[in-house]
Amino acid sequence: KQEVTQIPAALSVPEGENLVLNCSFTDSAIYNLQWFRQDPGKGLTSLLLIQSSQREQTSGRLNASLDKSSGRSTLYIAASQPGDSATYLCAAAFSYGGSNYKLTFGKGTLLTVNP
Amino acid sequence: SQTIHQWPATLVQPVGSPLSLECTVEGTSNPNLYWYRQAAGRGLQLLFYSIGIDQISSEVPQNLSASRPQDRQFILSSKKLLLSDSGFYLCACCVKGQGSYEQYFGPGTRLTVT
Repeated sequence: KQEVTQIPAALSVPEGENLVLNCSFTDSAIYNLQWFRQDPGKGLTSLLLIQSSQREQTSGRLNASLDKSSGRSTLYIAASQPGDSATYLCAAAFSYGGSNYKLTFGKGTLLTVNP
Repeated sequence: SQTIHQWPATLVQPVGSPLSLECTVEGTSNPNLYWYRQAAGRGLQLLFYSIGIDQISSEVPQNLSASRPQDRQFILSSKKLLLSDSGFYLCACCVKGQGSYEQYFGPGTRLTVT
């Protein structure tokens, strides 16, 4: 059974700090890994997707890395802002037959950026 | 790009009452569709997934059922709600192509069973 773990469960930082969120998965046969953001009471917004053949992806102040051999991914947020406050979820995609995939989610990291 | 609609946004129902949550997708055809539940402290739990009309797979045994009467419509139902059915229900759709796969989520339905 695939398991995805996120550390830390919660993180509070001052504005402007660079930070790293961690995600680990037990099965290295992932198809890709996706990072999401969730604001309170809202759905999930996709931030970055890393294919299994890739090492990293960047979007603005966000950079996500993937190391399949060690079963780890990190989300790096540069120069954090109060608007970055949210829960960040990572999810690993695994095949359930043919070209069909399912996501296994971590429980998320609740990030608070203090002004 | 695809857009996922869910309704209602919030729902308060008594124990034992029926449930019907609807999800519709725009901007894509023949999508894989998913129902998730998010309960406090438990993360996202995959409930059902569908690769096509009337093709539904259940991930966990439970009080809920799902149906897909049309290509871009996915319905979550229950005949009699339990207190444990309370949670935040999310519908998701996948985009496939050119060796890629990515899931997108709807805005969710907050269900409170009283």
